[in-house]
Amino acid sequence: DAGVTQSPTHLIKTRGQQVTLRCSPKSGHDTVSWYQQALGQGPQFIFQYYEEEERQRGNFPDRFSGHQFPNYSSELNVNALLLGDSALYLCASSGLMNTEAFFGQGTRLTVV
Amino acid sequence: DQQVKQNSPSLSVQEGRISILNCDYTNSMFDYFLWYKKYPAEGPTFLISISSIKDKNEDGRFTVFLNKSAKHLSLHIVPSQPGDSAVYFCAASGNNAGNMLTFGGGTRLMVKP
Repeated sequence: DAGVTQSPTHLIKTRGQQVTLRCSPKSGHDTVSWYQQALGQGPQFIFQYYEEEERQRGNFPDRFSGHQFPNYSSELNVNALLLGDSALYLCASSGLMNTEAFFGQGTRLTVV
Repeated sequence: DQQVKQNSPSLSVQEGRISILNCDYTNSMFDYFLWYKKYPAEGPTFLISISSIKDKNEDGRFTVFLNKSAKHLSLHIVPSQPGDSAVYFCAASGNNAGNMLTFGGGTRLMVKP
């Protein structure tokens, strides 16, 4: 079982650019959530996808959008990048019975 | 408005002794609480959880205590081992663990040999 996998592991973008991060959930999981973890802080919920629809959303602007595919994998898109978007982006998956969320290793985004 | 708080940013204990990590919450709608451990360059790893209908849950060296009236939970690690050195996050959710998690800021635990 590969667990939750995220790609890429690191990337550097310039202010104003757009970025797409990818996540494959743990086998058997159908729900994917995305979190942003700024340095020295706990993860903050961005949104959650289930059955290819956004089910819940945290306090993030519309520049943050996502998608879930029929195979349950997911993408996080961020438009018009700001320096403050620099963070570790974590993907978490959970199952139909909503057991504890399993996290990927994260994507470290640096905006310069 | 931080709904989940971990007031101790760091904690240092001697190997073999007890580690106690604390967490406070303000939202009375939270009914499921989890602890995650995070090593550098890795994602958070689930440790242990507790439902609001319980006041204690134990798994090996890890025990979580919940005091609903005080809106406080704690994680006890006995005995502490150097491999336990990591950042520990407390998290809470409104119904079950698969839904939106609200995290505390984390406590860095250092277990000295």
